[in-house]
Amino acid sequence: DAGVIQSPRHEVTEMGQEVTLRCKPISGHNSLFWYRQTMMRGLELLIYFNNNVPIDDSGMPEDRFSAKMPNASFSTLKIQPSEPRDSAVYFCASILITGELFFGEGSRLTVL
Amino acid sequence: AQSVAQPEDQVNVAEGNPLTVKCTYSVSGNPYLFWYVQYPNRGLQFLLKYITGDNLVKGSYGFEAEFNKSQTSFHLKKPSALVSDSALYFCAVRAGNMLTFGGGTRLMVKP
Repeated sequence: DAGVIQSPRHEVTEMGQEVTLRCKPISGHNSLFWYRQTMMRGLELLIYFNNNVPIDDSGMPEDRFSAKMPNASFSTLKIQPSEPRDSAVYFCASILITGELFFGEGSRLTVL
Repeated sequence: AQSVAQPEDQVNVAEGNPLTVKCTYSVSGNPYLFWYVQYPNRGLQFLLKYITGDNLVKGSYGFEAEFNKSQTSFHLKKPSALVSDSALYFCAVRAGNMLTFGGGTRLMVKP
């Protein structure tokens, strides 16, 4: 299996633009997580899905952030409109039944 | 609610010496504990876990961790550090499907 696949790996955009980050979890993993990593705040859980249903989105910082999981093999995290303080590395992860999270390589977002 | 504390932002050790990266946790019920490693510009990689059984857990790359219930600790150890072990290490505790991560400890191994 190719692991958790995220795209794009790098995104540079201007303030006010819409940003869409994509994730393909490992086949057979039924839970998916979106994390954000910054130097100041460390690793933060934004939202997680179980069987494509959002379970806990309490970590989503503002209404500008939204996430969807239309099927078991695809999820998106959208920021609209983006702001410079959204600059971070965004990770997607899926979980094995034995409890280990498998992370993607991340999407590094820079908002100018 | 569960929580994880990694009291050291950075640990420095000379190559060949033993290393310890500290982690303490707080959780209701039995703890499911994990260590992850992150290399520059990469995602987190699973190292090892404790679910039940032997308090000394062995993982990838020669790492091991010791579960201590009375001290609510799960310290990561390696008998002989390598320069290539230099990375960011995260301890995590699981409750349900949620993993809560510590703030991370940067390990620097000097030649």
